[in-house]
Amino acid sequence: EVQLVESGGGLVQPGGSLRLSCAASGFTVSDHYMDWVRQAPGKGLEWVGRFRGNPDSYTTEYAASVKGRFIISSDASKNSLYLQMNNLKTEDTAVYYCATRVVTDFEYWGQGTLVTVSS
Amino acid sequence: DIQLTQSPSSLSAFVGDRVTITCRASQGIASGLAWFQQKPGKAPNLLIYAASTLQSGVPSRFSGSSSGTEFTLTISSLQPEDSATYYCQQRNSYPITFGQGTRLEIK
Repeated sequence: EVQLVESGGGLVQPGGSLRLSCAASGFTVSDHYMDWVRQAPGKGLEWVGRFRGNPDSYTTEYAASVKGRFIISSDASKNSLYLQMNNLKTEDTAVYYCATRVVTDFEYWGQGTLVTVSS
Repeated sequence: DIQLTQSPSSLSAFVGDRVTITCRASQGIASGLAWFQQKPGKAPNLLIYAASTLQSGVPSRFSGSSSGTEFTLTISSLQPEDSATYYCQQRNSYPITFGQGTRLEIK
């Protein structure tokens, strides 16, 4: 059974950094496409970025709003996906979800982790 | 970027009603459109992908269709548990984008 569990959220000051984790079970992260999606309080869904696993050479894509500040990576030994967030802004405050595909994109989602950027 | 415009932004309907939500793309996206349902405090749930393919486990009262750049989610007979916010999403090109959402309330 596919399961995704996010962790690492919390309160951080503007300009700070935070790393989110998405622990996967039921499939191998390095062989799959995985996405990060966020949702600001009371707002809609915003795609953050994508990790393309093997055989697509572990490449990534990012939304313009986070490009150059956020980095998506994976650790095969932990079967996990990460979102390194640097130079955080107040507008990055959101619940962050990871999602993956088995048959189609965004088929499975984690429960989300809340990131609050505030002084 | 491809913009997705959903209509209406909110609606209210009775149990048993037929409900339609529309999503219009700013440019052609072939069949690269999905629909999600989200309930408060929960992650989104995939309903439809490839414009009209019903996700496994989703009730058959949900259906999707398309005509050019206009996509439609239809609930054939509204149930109380369908109260939620619905989002369309295009995955035809990067960046992946979502519509602004449609809040559906049961009268």
